[in-house]
Amino acid sequence: EAQVTQNPRYLITVTGKKLTVTCSQNMNHEYMSWYRQDPGLGLRQIYYSMNVEVTDKGDVPEGYKVSRKEKRNFPLILESPSPNQTSLYFCASRFGSAAERSPLHFGNGTRLTVT
Amino acid sequence: GENVEQHPSTLSVQEGDSAVIKCTYSDSASNYFPWYKQELGKRPQLIIDIRSNVGEKKDQRIAVTLNKTAKHFSLHITETQPEDSAVYFCAASQAGTALIFGKGTTLSVSS
Repeated sequence: EAQVTQNPRYLITVTGKKLTVTCSQNMNHEYMSWYRQDPGLGLRQIYYSMNVEVTDKGDVPEGYKVSRKEKRNFPLILESPSPNQTSLYFCASRFGSAAERSPLHFGNGTRLTVT
Repeated sequence: GENVEQHPSTLSVQEGDSAVIKCTYSDSASNYFPWYKQELGKRPQLIIDIRSNVGEKKDQRIAVTLNKTAKHFSLHITETQPEDSAVYFCAASQAGTALIFGKGTTLSVSS
C-alpha cells in the first residue's frame, strides 16, 4: 500500500531532550516536507526537500533540523525541544518539485508534547 | 512571500444546505490552488484542485471557482451531509514548489 509512515504517533518529552520523528514513504516521491499544525494557525511548513541531499527552510524552521540521505526517508530532528514546539506534526510527500504535478500525501501525524 | 487568507474560520450548516468557503491569495504568480479536507484525528487529504488556466471545476457535490483578477478562490459544497463535517484547508502554490495553506475552516453539518 502506498503510504507515508511517521513514527511515533504520540510523544511526550521534556525540555532539552533531543528527539527524532521519522518519516518514510514508499512511493518513490522526490519531494518531502514537514508541517506543524496548531489551532488557529493552519498548516505551516517547517522544512522541505526536493530530492536526496537537497533541503530548504519553510516558514517556521527555527529549532528544527532535517536530513535527506535516502529518497524514502526524511527525519525531523529537534535538538533541544522547547514547550512552544508542542504541536501536531505532519510529514508529506509528492512526485516532482512542482506542486501542481501531483497532490501531497500526508502521514498520519505525530502529536508531540514538550513539558 | 505568498499569503493565503481563509474565511470563515467556522461554519455551521443544516444537512442539505450549501456551504461556501473563500480564500484570497497575495502572489499573482501562484498558479495552483488545492483544497484539503481533514476529518477529526486524521490526515489532510486532497479533495479538489484548480489550476490558473481554469475558472471552475466540479466533482459531484463539490466545486471550486477561481477569480484570478481578484485573486480569490472558493470551495462550494452542495447538499451537505454529516460526513462533510471536517476542517477544510485551501492552499496556493508559489514558484511551483511550496504550498502555502490557509488557516482552515471548521465545517459542522447538523442533521
